[in-house]
Amino acid sequence: LAKTTQPISMDSYEGQEVNITCSHNNIATNDYITWYQQFPSQGPRFIIQGYKTKVTNEVASLFIPADRKSSTLSLPRVSLSDTAVYYCLVGDGGGGADGLTFGKGTHLIIQP
Amino acid sequence: DTAVSQTPKYLVTQMGNDKSIKCEQNLGHDTMYWYKQDSKKFLKIMFSYNNKELIINETVPNRFSPKSPDKAHLNLHINSLELGDSAVYFCASTWALSTDTQYFGPGTRLTVL
Repeated sequence: LAKTTQPISMDSYEGQEVNITCSHNNIATNDYITWYQQFPSQGPRFIIQGYKTKVTNEVASLFIPADRKSSTLSLPRVSLSDTAVYYCLVGDGGGGADGLTFGKGTHLIIQP
Repeated sequence: DTAVSQTPKYLVTQMGNDKSIKCEQNLGHDTMYWYKQDSKKFLKIMFSYNNKELIINETVPNRFSPKSPDKAHLNLHINSLELGDSAVYFCASTWALSTDTQYFGPGTRLTVL
């Protein structure tokens, strides 16, 4: 069972780069790492997914070291609207519940 | 067009009642899920269906019965509602049992009095 650990909360300021790290020491060979964002009163929304090294899209970057036991979601130049809960998931999508365990996420608060 | 829709958005009911929550997705996905998010914001998988077949049932009480009339719909029926059932229930869908993006519905806030 690939279990993830994230900080419960983080604070930052507008315009800063924010890095949220997720630990997944028991990640399996076939597992991918996926991050979701959830605003209050909404369902989670996909941000980014990766397997190894670095992935970048228009919203964020995902850094995964060679041992894959952790990953870091990087949000460049955050704004107030980035205040949300961020979830890290690990799983192979093979149908098991492991890859669908969201945990408690990281509550990111952005201040002016 | 809403990709994943749920009805109702809010549901307030008394203990012991039976209620249903409906979910529909227009993305052509094969797999649909029900999640429960409690007051502590812990989001837990309850069920998943792939092409109308039950794939995951995560030790949910048998008072909860999912039903998938076709692969675009996954409804959740709850019998004999209890106070502890109060939560936000999210429906989601994705391509068949893959690591692809899950698309979530807006949620249904269930309050049991």
